Amino acid sequence: EIVLTQSPATLSLSPGERATLSCRASQTVSSYLAWYQQKPGQAPRLLIYDTSNRATGLPARFSGSGSGTDFTLTISSLEPEDFAIYYCQQRYKWPLSFGGGTEVEIK
Amino acid sequence: EVQLVESGGGLIQPGGSLRLSCAASGFTFTNYWLHWVRQAPGKGLLWVSGINVDGSETRHADSVTGRFTISRDNTKNTVYLQMDSLRAEDTAVYYCARGGLSVTDVFQRWGQGTLVTVSS
Repeated sequence: EIVLTQSPATLSLSPGERATLSCRASQTVSSYLAWYQQKPGQAPRLLIYDTSNRATGLPARFSGSGSGTDFTLTISSLEPEDFAIYYCQQRYKWPLSFGGGTEVEIK
Repeated sequence: EVQLVESGGGLIQPGGSLRLSCAASGFTFTNYWLHWVRQAPGKGLLWVSGINVDGSETRHADSVTGRFTISRDNTKNTVYLQMDSLRAEDTAVYYCARGGLSVTDVFQRWGQGTLVTVSS
């Protein structure tokens, strides 16, 4: 099973700041990495798939990059609605797997 | 509007069985993979099972293989998760999720989830 490790566990930032979230895979996942956002009491929402492809309607402040084993989700300027938990997920190999999450909290 | 509505959750004793359902609407059901993803209280996401468009291919996480079975009824636009030999560690919110049209194993749309509690 491919293990995804997200860092940091918690990111404390202010609105308007840049957020950089990391996801590292235990083996290559090529470019087959996705990112999700989850707010309290809600289902997750797909943000980005295959490293850098934005889901329909996703604001341009969200971007993804990386390849192989190291990936990054960047939020260029945090809006109040962006404070949430973010998960990465690989689809390179079964079983599909998620990272443990990064919480972006208001500083 | 795409909708996925889960049902069938509840309180069940260890060793018991439960069948979850997910009724889909607002899209062509037979074009998409469907998945179940769970989230234990206060924890992260865990992919559980997935099924292809006609039900001929299924995949399961190691932790549920041999105990859980995913299936679908394309005449009813519904996907199921049969859960047997339930354990306390299966306690979680179970989400139904739809794959993408060409990217079948990302979770493009989600239901609101149904809570399964395994406890005596």
